[in-house]
Amino acid sequence: GNSVTQMEGPVTLSEEAFLTINCTYTATGYPSLFWYVQYPGEGLQLLLKATKADDKGSNKGFEATYRKETTSFHLEKGSVQVSDSAVYFCALMGWADSWGKLQFGAGTQVVVTP
Amino acid sequence: EAQVTQNPRYLITVTGKKLTVTCSQNMNHEYMSWYRQDPGLGLRQIYYSMNVEVTDKGDVPEGYKVSRKEKRNFPLILESPSPNQTSLYFCASSLSSSSRNEQFFGPGTRLTVL
Repeated sequence: GNSVTQMEGPVTLSEEAFLTINCTYTATGYPSLFWYVQYPGEGLQLLLKATKADDKGSNKGFEATYRKETTSFHLEKGSVQVSDSAVYFCALMGWADSWGKLQFGAGTQVVVTP
Repeated sequence: EAQVTQNPRYLITVTGKKLTVTCSQNMNHEYMSWYRQDPGLGLRQIYYSMNVEVTDKGDVPEGYKVSRKEKRNFPLILESPSPNQTSLYFCASSLSSSSRNEQFFGPGTRLTVL
């Protein structure tokens, strides 16, 4: 079946540092890939997505590129802020017969210190 | 404001006492689903609904029931809660099950079963 693996946290870094969160997936066909962010005490929000190979999703300074050859969708941001402290989830939706189901990774907590 | 609402936000109950967590969306979305979030496991889908009166099991449906009598509401029912159902629950909705449509998540319901 489909699965998503992302790096364990917490990831602690200083303001203005570079952030990378690794995400790899296992799926048949051509899944769509997503990054969601969960701020403390809130629900999940879609951060960015990519629906086909080599697509780059971007939003709020975050970027991720759909790499089919390495089955990866790593999240990057060049200069993080304290307000980026949150839990980040990588997710996929299967190519066929997914019925709208998102398959999530375990989540990576990011802590940005001033 | 377009949103998904859940009630209650927090609930502590005892084993075997039936409970319902409500979910409502005001975006006229056809697709709705429930997830539970557990540490180290990410979010897992419990049930989903493609439209009114159309529901089906997700990955972890045991011990849960749902109904979809109206388009806007999708309650989650625990007929006889057990401690292993202690979790953080999220309702989500989208225009359809397609990956092209963003899924919107509610704020979450933290359930503790003693």
